[in-house]
Amino acid sequence: SQQGEEDPQALSIQEGENATMNCSYKTSINNLQWYRQNSGRGLVHLILIRSNEREKHSGRLRVTLDTSKKSSSLLITASRAADTASYFCAMEYGNKLVFGAGTILRVKS
Amino acid sequence: DAGVIQSPRHEVTEMGQEVTLRCKPISGHNSLFWYRQTMMRGLELLIYFNNNVPIDDSGMPEDRFSAKMPNASFSTLKIQPSEPRDSAVYFCASSLASYGYTFGSGTRLTVV
Repeated sequence: SQQGEEDPQALSIQEGENATMNCSYKTSINNLQWYRQNSGRGLVHLILIRSNEREKHSGRLRVTLDTSKKSSSLLITASRAADTASYFCAMEYGNKLVFGAGTILRVKS
Repeated sequence: DAGVIQSPRHEVTEMGQEVTLRCKPISGHNSLFWYRQTMMRGLELLIYFNNNVPIDDSGMPEDRFSAKMPNASFSTLKIQPSEPRDSAVYFCASSLASYGYTFGSGTRLTVV
């Protein structure tokens, strides 16, 4: 299976703290993407990191990619209550995007 | 651009009935994807099109499911006959090369 694995499955933190989510995959990828899904809504693209990149930043988001370990992490700094959502990593193989199971993040105010 | 537009937002149908879900991708995007999301199985890729041509339908659960993309601005996913286990949220997404996918708001299907 090409599906990725994410951990933790759920994460609960206080507003202002950092949140780190991890993703592992099994076979070589073109790129890895992170998406957010608010309850009952569609998925929103957050950030894309290509296989030849190691780190990428976008606002309060920082993504790392280690192709030797086939893993990625998403760091959200200075979390806010509005960051409460499910976060998914997605691996692009060829022209297919395969999603992990997701991490449910709850930020308490 | 209004983004990826899916219709209907909600669909409740009786087992055995035909269901048609619709999707309008973002203008200029050359790839279109249909996903299904359930609690048990997460997000599953059902089928994707590139330049209106079906490329990979290996995720389509069975022959009851079919998808078409008659032109660059419209796609349908049809289930005939529908079964209760088809109940899920169905998402359509479009993309241009490897720049990230844009998802629609989804169709929540309930088969009773």
